[in-house]
Amino acid sequence: SQQGEEDPQALSIQEGENATMNCSYKTSINNLQWYRQNSGRGLVHLILIRSNEREKHSGRLRVTLDTSKKSSSLLITASRAADTASYFCATDDWAGNNRKLIWGLGTSLAVNP
Amino acid sequence: GAGVSQSPSNKVTEKGKDVELRCDPISGHTALYWYRQRLGQGLEFLIYFQGNSAPDKSGLPSDRFSAERTGESVSTLTIQRTQQEDSAVYLCASSLVPGGNQPQHFGDGTRLSIL
Repeated sequence: SQQGEEDPQALSIQEGENATMNCSYKTSINNLQWYRQNSGRGLVHLILIRSNEREKHSGRLRVTLDTSKKSSSLLITASRAADTASYFCATDDWAGNNRKLIWGLGTSLAVNP
Repeated sequence: GAGVSQSPSNKVTEKGKDVELRCDPISGHTALYWYRQRLGQGLEFLIYFQGNSAPDKSGLPSDRFSAERTGESVSTLTIQRTQQEDSAVYLCASSLVPGGNQPQHFGDGTRLSIL
Protein backbone atom coordinates (compact mmCIF):
# COMPACT_ATOMS: atom_id res chain seq x y z
CA SER A 1 0.00 0.00 0.00
CA GLN A 2 1.16 3.55 -0.59
CA GLN A 3 2.12 5.58 2.41
CA GLY A 4 2.78 8.87 0.75
CA GLU A 5 0.80 10.95 -1.63
CA GLU A 6 2.52 13.60 -3.64
CA ASP A 7 0.76 16.60 -5.05
CA PRO A 8 0.43 17.90 -7.56
CA GLN A 9 0.50 14.75 -9.70
CA ALA A 10 1.90 16.84 -12.55
CA LEU A 11 3.53 20.25 -12.67
CA SER A 12 4.64 22.29 -15.67
CA ILE A 13 6.74 25.42 -15.23
CA GLN A 14 9.12 27.66 -17.16
CA GLU A 15 12.85 27.50 -16.76
CA GLY A 16 14.00 29.79 -13.96
CA GLU A 17 10.81 29.43 -11.93
CA ASN A 18 10.62 27.60 -8.63
CA ALA A 19 8.89 24.23 -8.34
CA THR A 20 7.21 23.05 -5.17
CA MET A 21 6.02 19.50 -4.61
CA ASN A 22 4.29 18.18 -1.54
CA CYS A 23 4.15 14.79 0.11
CA SER A 24 1.71 13.65 2.76
CA TYR A 25 1.99 10.44 4.73
CA LYS A 26 -0.13 8.49 7.15
CA THR A 27 1.93 6.99 9.96
CA SER A 28 4.58 8.40 12.28
CA ILE A 29 8.03 8.24 10.73
CA ASN A 30 11.71 8.34 11.58
CA ASN A 31 12.92 9.52 8.19
CA LEU A 32 11.60 10.87 4.91
CA GLN A 33 13.52 10.74 1.65
CA TRP A 34 13.08 12.39 -1.74
CA TYR A 35 14.16 10.78 -5.00
CA ARG A 36 14.23 11.84 -8.66
CA GLN A 37 13.55 9.58 -11.61
CA ASN A 38 14.44 10.61 -15.12
CA SER A 39 12.48 8.95 -17.91
CA GLY A 40 13.58 5.38 -18.46
CA ARG A 41 16.05 5.42 -15.60
CA GLY A 42 16.24 4.28 -12.01
CA LEU A 43 15.63 6.53 -9.03
CA VAL A 44 18.31 8.79 -7.66
CA HIS A 45 18.41 9.75 -3.99
CA LEU A 46 18.20 13.51 -3.46
CA ILE A 47 17.89 14.23 0.23
CA LEU A 48 16.95 12.64 3.55
CA ILE A 49 15.32 14.51 6.40
CA ARG A 50 14.94 13.09 9.87
CA SER A 51 11.79 13.44 11.96
CA ASN A 52 13.54 15.83 14.36
CA GLU A 53 14.57 18.15 11.51
CA ARG A 54 12.32 20.83 10.07
CA GLU A 55 14.30 21.97 7.04
CA LYS A 56 17.23 20.79 5.00
CA HIS A 57 19.08 22.24 2.01
CA SER A 58 21.14 20.72 -0.75
CA GLY A 59 22.19 23.02 -3.56
CA ARG A 60 19.01 24.28 -5.24
CA LEU A 61 16.86 21.87 -3.22
CA ARG A 62 15.06 22.75 -0.02
CA VAL A 63 13.06 20.17 1.90
CA THR A 64 10.76 20.92 4.80
CA LEU A 65 9.08 18.50 7.16
CA ASP A 66 6.04 19.13 9.33
CA THR A 67 5.46 16.05 11.45
CA SER A 68 2.34 17.55 13.06
CA LYS A 69 0.72 17.70 9.62
CA LYS A 70 2.47 14.56 8.38
CA SER A 71 3.69 16.39 5.32
CA SER A 72 6.86 17.39 3.53
CA SER A 73 7.64 19.70 0.66
CA LEU A 74 10.41 19.74 -1.90
CA LEU A 75 11.31 23.10 -3.39
CA ILE A 76 13.54 23.34 -6.45
CA THR A 77 14.72 26.90 -6.99
CA ALA A 78 15.71 28.43 -10.33
CA SER A 79 14.59 25.33 -12.21
CA ARG A 80 16.37 24.06 -15.31
CA ALA A 81 15.19 21.92 -18.20
CA ALA A 82 17.38 19.15 -16.78
CA ASP A 83 15.17 19.09 -13.67
CA THR A 84 12.40 17.55 -15.78
CA ALA A 85 11.71 14.23 -14.06
CA SER A 86 9.37 12.49 -11.65
CA TYR A 87 9.91 13.11 -7.96
CA PHE A 88 9.01 10.62 -5.26
CA CYS A 89 8.91 10.77 -1.50
CA ALA A 90 9.51 7.69 0.62
CA THR A 91 9.12 7.12 4.33
CA ASP A 92 9.90 4.48 6.85
CA ASP A 93 7.35 3.44 9.43
CA TRP A 94 8.25 4.38 13.00
CA ALA A 95 6.04 1.73 14.53
CA GLY A 96 6.47 -0.97 11.97
CA ASN A 97 9.16 -2.53 9.92
CA ASN A 98 11.51 0.36 9.31
CA ARG A 99 13.75 -1.66 7.06
CA LYS A 100 11.50 -0.97 4.10
CA LEU A 101 10.59 2.33 2.52
CA ILE A 102 7.01 3.14 1.62
CA TRP A 103 6.67 5.11 -1.59
CA GLY A 104 4.38 7.80 -2.87
CA LEU A 105 2.99 7.89 -6.40
CA GLY A 106 5.22 10.75 -7.52
CA THR A 107 4.97 14.20 -9.06
CA SER A 108 5.84 14.56 -12.72
CA LEU A 109 7.69 17.85 -13.27
CA ALA A 110 8.16 19.39 -16.70
CA VAL A 111 10.47 22.40 -16.95
CA ASN A 112 10.02 24.16 -20.26
CA PRO A 113 12.99 26.01 -21.78
CA GLY B 1 31.05 -1.88 -9.95
CA ALA B 2 30.24 1.78 -9.52
CA GLY B 3 26.49 1.35 -9.38
CA VAL B 4 23.65 -1.15 -9.35
CA SER B 5 23.54 -3.11 -12.58
CA GLN B 6 20.44 -4.85 -13.94
CA SER B 7 20.08 -7.15 -16.90
CA PRO B 8 18.54 -7.45 -19.35
CA SER B 9 17.53 -3.83 -19.82
CA ASN B 10 14.57 -4.93 -21.94
CA LYS B 11 12.79 -8.25 -22.19
CA VAL B 12 9.93 -9.15 -24.49
CA THR B 13 8.39 -12.57 -24.09
CA GLU B 14 5.23 -14.48 -24.80
CA LYS B 15 2.55 -15.06 -22.22
CA GLY B 16 3.17 -18.27 -20.31
CA LYS B 17 6.96 -18.19 -20.57
CA ASP B 18 9.27 -17.91 -17.57
CA VAL B 19 11.63 -14.96 -17.21
CA GLU B 20 14.66 -14.35 -15.04
CA LEU B 21 15.85 -10.88 -14.16
CA ARG B 22 19.25 -10.17 -12.68
CA CYS B 23 20.51 -7.55 -10.27
CA ASP B 24 24.14 -6.90 -9.35
CA PRO B 25 24.20 -4.60 -6.30
CA ILE B 26 26.91 -2.20 -5.22
CA SER B 27 29.77 -4.14 -3.67
CA GLY B 28 29.51 -4.21 0.11
CA HIS B 29 25.81 -3.35 0.23
CA THR B 30 24.08 -5.80 2.52
CA ALA B 31 20.47 -4.86 1.72
CA LEU B 32 18.85 -5.51 -1.67
CA TYR B 33 15.33 -4.63 -2.75
CA TRP B 34 13.15 -5.51 -5.75
CA TYR B 35 10.34 -3.21 -6.84
CA ARG B 36 7.79 -3.22 -9.65
CA GLN B 37 6.79 0.01 -11.36
CA ARG B 38 3.87 0.06 -13.74
CA LEU B 39 3.70 2.79 -16.36
CA GLY B 40 3.25 6.19 -14.77
CA GLN B 41 2.95 4.72 -11.29
CA GLY B 42 4.95 4.64 -8.09
CA LEU B 43 7.07 1.81 -6.74
CA GLU B 44 5.50 -1.41 -5.52
CA PHE B 45 7.68 -3.31 -3.04
CA LEU B 46 8.24 -6.96 -3.96
CA ILE B 47 10.98 -8.48 -1.81
CA TYR B 48 13.91 -7.49 0.40
CA PHE B 49 17.13 -9.33 1.27
CA GLN B 50 19.42 -8.54 4.18
CA GLY B 51 22.67 -10.48 4.33
CA ASN B 52 22.01 -14.10 5.21
CA SER B 53 18.73 -13.40 6.99
CA ALA B 54 15.45 -14.78 5.71
CA PRO B 55 14.12 -12.46 2.98
CA ASP B 56 10.98 -10.38 3.43
CA LYS B 57 8.72 -11.72 0.68
CA SER B 58 5.62 -9.88 1.81
CA GLY B 59 5.27 -7.91 -1.43
CA LEU B 60 5.40 -10.77 -3.92
CA PRO B 61 2.03 -10.66 -5.73
CA SER B 62 1.66 -14.38 -6.37
CA ASP B 63 3.48 -17.69 -6.10
CA ARG B 64 4.60 -17.24 -9.71
CA PHE B 65 7.14 -14.73 -8.38
CA SER B 66 10.30 -15.81 -6.58
CA ALA B 67 13.72 -14.35 -5.91
CA GLU B 68 17.07 -15.54 -4.71
CA ARG B 69 20.21 -13.94 -3.44
CA THR B 70 23.38 -15.69 -2.38
CA GLY B 71 25.02 -13.88 0.50
CA GLU B 72 25.57 -10.25 -0.42
CA SER B 73 25.98 -10.77 -4.13
CA VAL B 74 23.83 -11.04 -7.21
CA SER B 75 20.08 -11.51 -6.98
CA THR B 76 17.69 -13.00 -9.50
CA LEU B 77 13.96 -12.40 -9.72
CA THR B 78 12.04 -15.15 -11.51
CA ILE B 79 8.52 -14.87 -12.87
CA GLN B 80 6.98 -18.15 -13.94
CA ARG B 81 4.13 -18.53 -16.43
CA THR B 82 4.12 -14.83 -17.21
CA GLN B 83 0.84 -12.97 -17.64
CA GLN B 84 0.17 -9.72 -19.45
CA GLU B 85 -0.35 -7.92 -16.14
CA ASP B 86 3.29 -8.69 -15.30
CA SER B 87 4.33 -6.12 -17.89
CA ALA B 88 6.18 -3.40 -15.99
CA VAL B 89 9.62 -2.09 -15.14
CA TYR B 90 11.34 -4.14 -12.45
CA LEU B 91 13.75 -2.07 -10.39
CA CYS B 92 16.44 -3.28 -8.06
CA ALA B 93 18.03 -1.18 -5.33
CA SER B 94 20.71 -1.75 -2.74
CA SER B 95 21.77 0.05 0.42
CA LEU B 96 24.81 -0.26 2.63
CA VAL B 97 22.69 -1.46 5.53
CA PRO B 98 18.92 -1.74 5.88
CA GLY B 99 16.85 0.98 7.38
CA GLY B 100 14.79 4.04 6.62
CA ASN B 101 17.78 6.28 7.26
CA GLN B 102 19.71 4.73 4.39
CA PRO B 103 19.55 6.01 0.82
CA GLN B 104 18.77 3.33 -1.72
CA HIS B 105 20.79 3.11 -4.91
CA PHE B 106 18.84 2.00 -7.95
CA GLY B 107 19.64 0.27 -11.19
CA ASP B 108 17.98 1.43 -14.39
CA GLY B 109 15.56 -1.47 -14.31
CA THR B 110 14.40 -4.21 -16.63
CA ARG B 111 11.47 -3.25 -18.84
CA LEU B 112 9.39 -6.42 -19.20
CA SER B 113 6.77 -6.71 -21.91
CA ILE B 114 4.49 -9.73 -22.08
CA LEU B 115 2.84 -10.29 -25.45
